[in-house]
Amino acid sequence: DAGVIQSPRHEVTEMGQEVTLRCKPISGHNSLFWYRQTMMRGLELLIYFNNNVPIDDSGMPEDRFSAKMPNASFSTLKIQPSEPRDSAVYFCASSFWQTFQETQYFGPGTRLLVL
Amino acid sequence: RKEVEQDPGPFNVPEGATVAFNCTYSNSASQSFFWYRQDCRKEPKLLMSVYSSGNEDGRFTAQLNRASQYISLLIRDSKLSDSATYLCVVNVAGGFKTIFGAGTRLFVKA
Repeated sequence: DAGVIQSPRHEVTEMGQEVTLRCKPISGHNSLFWYRQTMMRGLELLIYFNNNVPIDDSGMPEDRFSAKMPNASFSTLKIQPSEPRDSAVYFCASSFWQTFQETQYFGPGTRLLVL
Repeated sequence: RKEVEQDPGPFNVPEGATVAFNCTYSNSASQSFFWYRQDCRKEPKLLMSVYSSGNEDGRFTAQLNRASQYISLLIRDSKLSDSATYLCVVNVAGGFKTIFGAGTRLFVKA
């Protein structure tokens, strides 16, 4: 299995631009999670989906952030417009959720720098 | 108060040492617990789940104390390759919400 795939791996953009991060979960997994990691705040859960349905987006910092999961094999996290404080590593993770003990498998992350 | 708190670290230990990390959580309804490991500039990876009865995996032992809302990780006979950040992770009951601690950095030196 290829594991969780994220693209791009690195993104440098200017303030005000739209940024779209992509994630392909592990085949057969039914849950998908988006995280953001910074030195100051650590790893924060932004949103999670179960069976392609957003379950909890309370971690999304503000309306500039949106996430979609149109099918079981693809999800996007969009920032529009981007700001310098959005600079972080964004991880996507997936799991096969049946009980609370399921392991989350993380992708390699997208390193975002907003100038 | 943070929902999951860990020893701040960093821990600097020689090879062969035993080191213990602690973690406390605030939500008494928390359902499941894990330790993840994150290497520098890499993604987090599951190290081990933490069960009520405690569990061991080679040199690693994890324990859970629900009454005190406390989780621990013990690493025996530390190796250079154990150098990483160790993240305490809690799943809140009733949903998928996963909360990561800030992590504890471990440096094992020769």
